Amino acid sequence: DVKVTQSSRYLVKRTGEKVFLECVQDMDHENMFWYRQDPGLGLRLIYFSYDVKMKEKGDIPEGYSVSREKKERFSLILESASTNQTSMYLCASSFLDRATEAFFGQGTRLTVV
Amino acid sequence: RKEVEQDPGPFNVPEGATVAFNCTYSNSASQSFFWYRQDCRKEPKLLMSVYSSGNEDGRFTAQLNRASQYISLLIRDSKLSDSATYLCVVSNTGNQFYFGTGTSLTVIP
Repeated sequence: DVKVTQSSRYLVKRTGEKVFLECVQDMDHENMFWYRQDPGLGLRLIYFSYDVKMKEKGDIPEGYSVSREKKERFSLILESASTNQTSMYLCASSFLDRATEAFFGQGTRLTVV
Repeated sequence: RKEVEQDPGPFNVPEGATVAFNCTYSNSASQSFFWYRQDCRKEPKLLMSVYSSGNEDGRFTAQLNRASQYISLLIRDSKLSDSATYLCVVSNTGNQFYFGTGTSLTVIP
């Protein structure tokens, strides 16, 4: 069974803290993605990566950074958490250059207080 | 202009009803098309891929009209368990996925 695993289901952090969200996939996918999902706004792409050490900005990269040191792992970093980063964060992965679907992790619901 | 547009609903239908969701996309070079289902507070999961010839999976039928840049999902004989949000998803070469905001469906007993 294919798997994308996010390190936490729920997180509560304080304003100004540095936050790490981890994502691991076991499908040997080249592409990995970080989205946030907010009511009425749908899924918005923060960053994606198509190879180790490669990263591309998505639609809303401000306030975030990412790291991809290994093919199976893609980390999202909130450098200094703010209350407007309270959201559901979803990691996904897919094959590069194939017409196949993206697989999602279970999501991390982050609350910044 | 958004890459993918969906009617957000909500759609409230009785059990046994047939319901149709529509979606339009803006990039004529889009290659792959999908419908995902998302339950409350869960991750999106693939419901079905959408092919040019149209495809059916049990009570679900998906259609693609490339000329009009339009995708549809038809659910026949709705069940209570079909209540969820349905996301229309479009991909270019597979490097990026564009999501609609989702259509909410509630099937009422």
